[in-house]
Amino acid sequence: QQPVQSPQAVILREGEDAVINCSSSKALYSVHWYRQKHGEAPVFLMILLKGGEQKGHDKISASFNEKKQQSSLYLTASQLSYSGTYFCGTEEGGENYGQNFVFGPGTRLSVLP
Amino acid sequence: DVKVTQSSRYLVKRTGEKVFLECVQDMDHENMFWYRQDPGLGLRLIYFSYDVKMKEKGDIPEGYSVSREKKERFSLILESASTNQTSMYLCASSSTSYNEQFFGPGTRLTVL
Repeated sequence: QQPVQSPQAVILREGEDAVINCSSSKALYSVHWYRQKHGEAPVFLMILLKGGEQKGHDKISASFNEKKQQSSLYLTASQLSYSGTYFCGTEEGGENYGQNFVFGPGTRLSVLP
Repeated sequence: DVKVTQSSRYLVKRTGEKVFLECVQDMDHENMFWYRQDPGLGLRLIYFSYDVKMKEKGDIPEGYSVSREKKERFSLILESASTNQTSMYLCASSSTSYNEQFFGPGTRLTVL
């Protein structure tokens, strides 16, 4: 079952912050984040594993709350280059450990000058 | 530099035609994936392969088949193309099941 992403779309001014959320109805083992710029292939950003670990990638970081089956992607001081569609991908935990990887529908982020 | 290539960026076919989409990776990855991407639906998995000649159905395998005769090559086949298969098709590969996936540039298929 596809995870839910919110918001569906967000428009920012350069330098503003944004949060993109990803939630699942299933117990999760990991959450992956990808970014796809317009007309390009998706590019991997980071993987978060069960354990609530927070990761960072330049000014983009993410958290994973396995109890709530949620992950959030934080974009700080956004740059024009952050524009694109962000996808989370979830991998099941529990008795379906490591199975059923599925991408969310995406969140379109537009950063304006 | 790691690379996943797809045979065509744009393809136009007629209803009922047999369509082959080819994907090649040069990273010696075990796993390869075929997704279709439609607005508002994200990336939906059609098939994946974890070894040569091995394949597993994804979420939307109906109307598609795949072939993996060599480790570096994964083909998606539409036996009889239909208009509802008009979409962007993305191939990806990874070294382990759901590790970082490297995507190809995509093939935009239009079925008339």
